[in-house]
Amino acid sequence: GAGVSQSPRYKVAKRGQDVALRCDPISGHVSLFWYQQALGQGPEFLTYFQNEAQLDKSGLPSDRFFAERPEGSVSTLKIQRTQQEDSAVYLCASSVSKGGGAYNTGELFFGEGSRLTVL
Amino acid sequence: GNSVTQMEGPVTLSEEAFLTINCTYTATGYPSLFWYVQYPGEGLQLLLKATKADDKGSNKGFEATYRKETTSFHLEKGSVQVSDSAVYFCALMEYGNKLVFGAGTILRVKS
Repeated sequence: GAGVSQSPRYKVAKRGQDVALRCDPISGHVSLFWYQQALGQGPEFLTYFQNEAQLDKSGLPSDRFFAERPEGSVSTLKIQRTQQEDSAVYLCASSVSKGGGAYNTGELFFGEGSRLTVL
Repeated sequence: GNSVTQMEGPVTLSEEAFLTINCTYTATGYPSLFWYVQYPGEGLQLLLKATKADDKGSNKGFEATYRKETTSFHLEKGSVQVSDSAVYFCALMEYGNKLVFGAGTILRVKS
């Protein structure tokens, strides 16, 4: 497709379950980002990939959160032993830019998000 | 740390009314500033941006001017339409790719 695709769109998990959220970025986009958006809040940065390299994971809230992008295209965000506070919309975004300095236009293309509800 | 503060919503306007959504920021350096918009059922998309002081970003009739002296980037439109109903997010980018977003402002335009 032409845009960023995320799946599943909705996920309900019982507390303690592991979940995996998938992101299919725009073809050829070098940079990929994950954001977490709690209800009524703006998105908050989780992690950033340039191709397959995870260059920044400073926003991951705990070691239960893990992201990968093994071939520099599709990315998976995994949350282990989910807790109720993990309930949020998880947004994926991609960018053609490598990022940093003059190369970064700041235009990120966002998917529609995966809404996670932990019971 | 860097942060963005937006006016709380929802903002409810009649069609053709003038729109202002206030945005102020805190940053240690000289960030780039953005407005993103999220229409119902869609992902966030870039509306406009400004990369240095006194720059004006504009798109689809919306404008915002980067004011360093007041650390502001207020969004304006002279005449809103029902189709402008959406959530608007102000954001900044200072280092690398990390966008810092405000909490968002819901805009409702009634005919």
